[in-house]
Parts: sequence; structure tokens; C-alpha cells
Amino acid sequence: QVQLVESGGGVVQPGSSLRLSCEASGFTFSRHSLHWVRQAPGKGLQWVAVISFDGNNKFYTDSVKGRFTISRDISKNTLFLQMDSLRPEDTALYYCARGGRSWNTEFDSWGQGTLVTVSS
Amino acid sequence: SYDLTQPPTVSVSPGQTASITCSGDNLEDKYVYWYQQKPGQSPVLVIYVDTKRPSGIPERFSGSNSGNTATLTISGTQSMDEADYYCQAWDSSTSVFGGGTKLTVL
Repeated sequence: QVQLVESGGGVVQPGSSLRLSCEASGFTFSRHSLHWVRQAPGKGLQWVAVISFDGNNKFYTDSVKGRFTISRDISKNTLFLQMDSLRPEDTALYYCARGGRSWNTEFDSWGQGTLVTVSS
Repeated sequence: SYDLTQPPTVSVSPGQTASITCSGDNLEDKYVYWYQQKPGQSPVLVIYVDTKRPSGIPERFSGSNSGNTATLTISGTQSMDEADYYCQAWDSSTSVFGGGTKLTVL
């Protein structure tokens, strides 16, 4: 069965960096786009970024452009999110989600999330 | 930026039909996806490309999309369906979620 396991969250100060990881198993990693979706405490879902199945296309929500970088390592079946210049409004539970072969489809499997808290 | 609007709350009696709407400009020109999220759990896809149900999702869940409004319909609503529901669509290279609807079954 599809499994997505996020890690790397923690408590950091504004302006700091953090790198999230999502280890995938149970499916052919190289055939799917992958996404990061976040949820601030008590709030709704917000899409953050996507990387295409081949890594050639990457798209971001406006509020993280220039600060976050999505990447993937096919040899390790792992998705990453490098987060720089973190702000208090980036505080959220960050989910890794599997997409289709096309990057603009549904999120059909989700991890349990990793919590990022940005606070001084 | 593209916006999707959902009612914050919907209430339904057990066994009745619940309808949750999602509104956006010319939404019928886009595919709409729906997710269910129960407290403390990750979201689960319940409808994709407007009307399709993933395997394992009960037949009582259905979707439609026409004009500026997509609708998630739950027929014969059960207490286990009480959850937050989110619609989602793509606008160019950006994905957008609606604000979410809390479904209460009482």
C-alpha cells in the first residue's frame, strides 16, 4: 500500500531554514508528481508546491516563491522541501501528497504530516 | 488569484442528503476534487475529476460541476461522515483549495 512518511519539522526562529523530507513506498516513485500541502493550526488546507514525475517542472504558491524549493531523489524515493527565510505565517502541519503522472491532478494519498513552528 | 468559496458549515440529519457547494468563476471549465478530513487525521480524496469516486469510497458520495458551482452530495448521510470537506481545483499552475465546510450530522 502507498505510504508517505514526513519528517524534519520542528520549532525554529523567524529567518531560519528547515528541510522537510517525505519518504515514499508502495508505488513507483518515478511515475508520480508529488506535492506539499500545509495546514495552519485550526485552519484549512493550502497547497504549497508540486514537482512533476520527472522533476522537470516545479510550481509554488505565491507566498513561498523564492523562499521554498521542492526537489526529489529518485534513488532514495524521497521528496524534499527546503524552506528558507521562514516566517511566523509558515507555521503549519506540512503534508506530503501523491499526485498523478500529470502534475495538475488530484492528491490521492497523503502522509501524516510534520509540524513546523516558526516563533521567536 | 483564483478563489473557491464554500459555506463554513452544513448540518444534516442522519439518513438525509447533505449538499456541500464550492463556487468559483467558470468553475465548470476546471476539474474539481473533494477531500474529507476528520479531526486529527489526514485528508482523504472522496471525489476526483468532478464526479468519480476512488476505490473504497462509498457510493453515497457523489459530485457534480456546472456553471460556477460544484457540489458534493452525500446521500443517506451517516454519523461517520461528520468531518471537514474541502474542494480543490487547478488554476493554471497553481492549486487552490476552498476554505472548507464542517459537516455536522445531528
